Amino acid sequence: RKEVEQDPGPFNVPEGATVAFNCTYSNSASQSFFWYRQDCRKEPKLLMSVYSSGNEDGRFTAQLNRASQYISLLIRDSKLSDSATYLCVVNRGGYQKVTFGIGTKLQVIP
Amino acid sequence: DAMVIQNPRYQVTQFGKPVTLSCSQTLNHNVMYWYQQKSSQAPKLLFHYYDKDFNNEADTPDNFQSRRPNTSFCFLDIRSPGLGDAAMYLCATSRSSGGRLETQYFGPGTRLLVL
Repeated sequence: RKEVEQDPGPFNVPEGATVAFNCTYSNSASQSFFWYRQDCRKEPKLLMSVYSSGNEDGRFTAQLNRASQYISLLIRDSKLSDSATYLCVVNRGGYQKVTFGIGTKLQVIP
Repeated sequence: DAMVIQNPRYQVTQFGKPVTLSCSQTLNHNVMYWYQQKSSQAPKLLFHYYDKDFNNEADTPDNFQSRRPNTSFCFLDIRSPGLGDAAMYLCATSRSSGGRLETQYFGPGTRLLVL
């Protein structure tokens, strides 16, 4: 089993739709979690950290389910500009134990 | 304002010809990372520095070396590039305190092409 797993997609959704991605992790000792966004041929950029209590930033909501070992990202009212690959990042503890998921590709269509 | 800078943005080299990629940061972060990312794959950590302490990932080939002469700069040396080393190379920095990972900030990457 991979340490961090994501459905690579692509997810094709119409503008204005709500879409959700999950990311599962295998190490129960994982401590911190992040969602990054990566545009084609660009570097990853932090979208949001994922807190135990869940957190929201505008149209984006991230949640953590420790019992089932997954994190989720919900995007409401999808915009064309949301089209990108969304990378899940899991930190197993300490600054060095960082693992990226393969990313989920989102395509928002007009 | 650019915080993590990578040069060059594009690098073409010949098979077996050594190449050096550079990364600099203005964030004064104590941790610097080098990742390799191939098309449609996750960024793969090659190694990282915690201050001057070098930490190699177990599966990073010996062909890849790194130097960090000071806090701001870090270099990735590929001693004998092969065709399989063509990829995007990403530098990232973070601040680590108490062993906990803070947000990683990525540079724009260097796209390496091996002929």
